[in-house]
Order: sequence, then C-alpha cells, then structure tokens
Amino acid sequence: DAGVTQSPTHLIKTRGQQVTLRCSPKSGHDTVSWYQQALGQGPQFIFQYYEEEERQRGNFPDRFSGHQFPNYSSELNVNALLLGDSALYLCASSLFTGNTIYFGEGSWLTVV
Amino acid sequence: AQTVTQSQPEMSVQEAETVTLSCTYDTSENNYYLFWYKQPPSRQMILVIRQEAYKQQNATENRFSVNFQKAAKSFSLKISDSQLGDTAMYFCAFMKHNGANSKLTFGKGITLSVRP
Repeated sequence: DAGVTQSPTHLIKTRGQQVTLRCSPKSGHDTVSWYQQALGQGPQFIFQYYEEEERQRGNFPDRFSGHQFPNYSSELNVNALLLGDSALYLCASSLFTGNTIYFGEGSWLTVV
Repeated sequence: AQTVTQSQPEMSVQEAETVTLSCTYDTSENNYYLFWYKQPPSRQMILVIRQEAYKQQNATENRFSVNFQKAAKSFSLKISDSQLGDTAMYFCAFMKHNGANSKLTFGKGITLSVRP
C-alpha cells in the first residue's frame, strides 16, 4: 500500500519563476492538503482539496493555487516566486470525514 | 482561531530514560483532536499519537503516552524507554472536529535529542 508520494523531492528556482509540485495521496484517501514549512518552524496550512474543489484555504496569497484531479492526486502551483517561498512543502492526505492525516516526505523548494 | 504553543525549543534525554514534551493550546471549540507528530531528519511527518477531546482516557501507543488536561488545555507527550531513533523534532497539532476533515494547526516544534 503506497503512502503519500510527492515529486520532485528537491528543486531550485529563480525569483519570479513559477513552480508546480505534485502529490499522490495514500490509497483510499480522497482529500489532499498542502502545508508550507519554513526552516525551524511548524507547518502552515495552505489549502485543502476535496472532490476537485478547494475546500479550505489558509492565509496565503493568490500566487499559491492548486488543483485536484479525478484520481485524487493534486498539484500545488506557486507563481512569481519570492525568496521567502523557500521552504519544505508537505502534502497530506486523508479521508474527508476522517481524523487521521498522513504526510508525504515533502518537496524542498529553494528560491534564489 | 486556534493556537498551539510549544514553549520548549529543545530537550535532551539519556537513552532508556523517560522524557515529557509539553504543549498547550487555545480554542473555543469543544470537539477537536490533538496530535503529536514526529519529524526525523528525513523530514517526513510521522503520526505518533492522537487524542480525541471527548475521551477522558489518555491515549497510549506502545512507549508513547499523553497527559491530556482539557480544562487546562494541556497536552503533553511522554516517551518511555527512550531510544536513539526517537531523536527528531516533535510537533503538537490541533484539528477541529466538525464532521468533515479540517486543517491541522501546528506548534513550532521541539527538538529532542536522545543521548547514547
């Protein structure tokens, strides 16, 4: 049973560029959430997708957008990258009515 | 809005001994879940233990147990017989229970080092 998988694991982008991160949820899960974790901090909730719609959103600008596909996988897009966007991006999966959330290994984004 | 506070940035414990990690939270909700997650150097967030607020009995998972004090809004994690593999960052997290999956609100974390 595959857990939560994310790609890529590491990437480096230049300020102003755009990035797409991908996530496949744990088998049987229908909800994907994205978190940003800056160095030395706890993860911060970005948004959550269920039934291909954004259901909840944290305090992040519109430069952060996402998508969920019919197979429940998800993408996180960040436009006009800033140096401050450098962080570990964690994908989390769960059942929409569940109370246990599983995380992937994350995608390290460095903006230079 | 919910807040989670972990006031100890670092702790150290001798292998085989017991250590307690502290967490307090603030919420006006009555039904919610509390979690402890472990994040080793590999950076994957691993669920350690979960507590449902409506349950008075403290959750236990092998060497891990919690002391949940709902009135005091306190949720500490006790690790017994500490092992070198317990070295990691530990995050306390809160989630509302509203019939549908909600977001996790994390504390800043605590770095635990287990000494051989």
